[in-house]
Amino acid sequence: SQQGEEDPQALSIQEGENATMNCSYKTSINNLQWYRQNSGRGLVHLILIRSNEREKHSGRLRVTLDTSKKSSSLLITASRAADTASYFCAMTTGGFKTIFGAGTRLFVKA
Amino acid sequence: GAVVSQHPSWVICKSGTSVKIECRSLDFQATTMFWYRQFPKQSLMLMATSNEGSKATYEQGVEKDKFLINHASLTLSTLTVTSAHPEDSSFYICSSGLAGNQETQYFGPGTRLLVL
Repeated sequence: SQQGEEDPQALSIQEGENATMNCSYKTSINNLQWYRQNSGRGLVHLILIRSNEREKHSGRLRVTLDTSKKSSSLLITASRAADTASYFCAMTTGGFKTIFGAGTRLFVKA
Repeated sequence: GAVVSQHPSWVICKSGTSVKIECRSLDFQATTMFWYRQFPKQSLMLMATSNEGSKATYEQGVEKDKFLINHASLTLSTLTVTSAHPEDSSFYICSSGLAGNQETQYFGPGTRLLVL
């Protein structure tokens, strides 16, 4: 499959809890990005981490990248009901090609 | 920031008809655009890479005669779904990046196709 793997496939948590999503991939990458998608809508770019970076923060988001394990994680702290969405990792390889992970559906209960 | 638009945003058509979807880069030149397809509750699957002035490169399993891609200018790529069937119903999304910048892709808002 051209997709990266993500786990969990679905995650249900209470508001205020942290949510962690993991992504693994198979090929070498230039960078890895995380996107959010509300049901039936377009993609919202959350954060980009380059292959030579190990960790990046943006507000309540924390992304890590381990190129030796070919994996990344997205942590959303102090989750809110409005964070309910699908989250996708996307790997950009040489030639500017971007391949998406399978996605994690997050449901935050108020 | 860079903006990518798609038209139409949604389309309903009868089985057997062809549907054209446009992807435009509004404030930058895009030598390369990408077309994705997303079925309900699934991820985005890359269909093809559209190169300005040359033939598109299709991913394995994507029928090039079924999904015609034309990238005639630096700001416009079109995807034509020929002889559409109900199984072609999906969310089609294009993306592009700034020339010389391989870091960030800008995604269009998507086109929802429903084939009856």
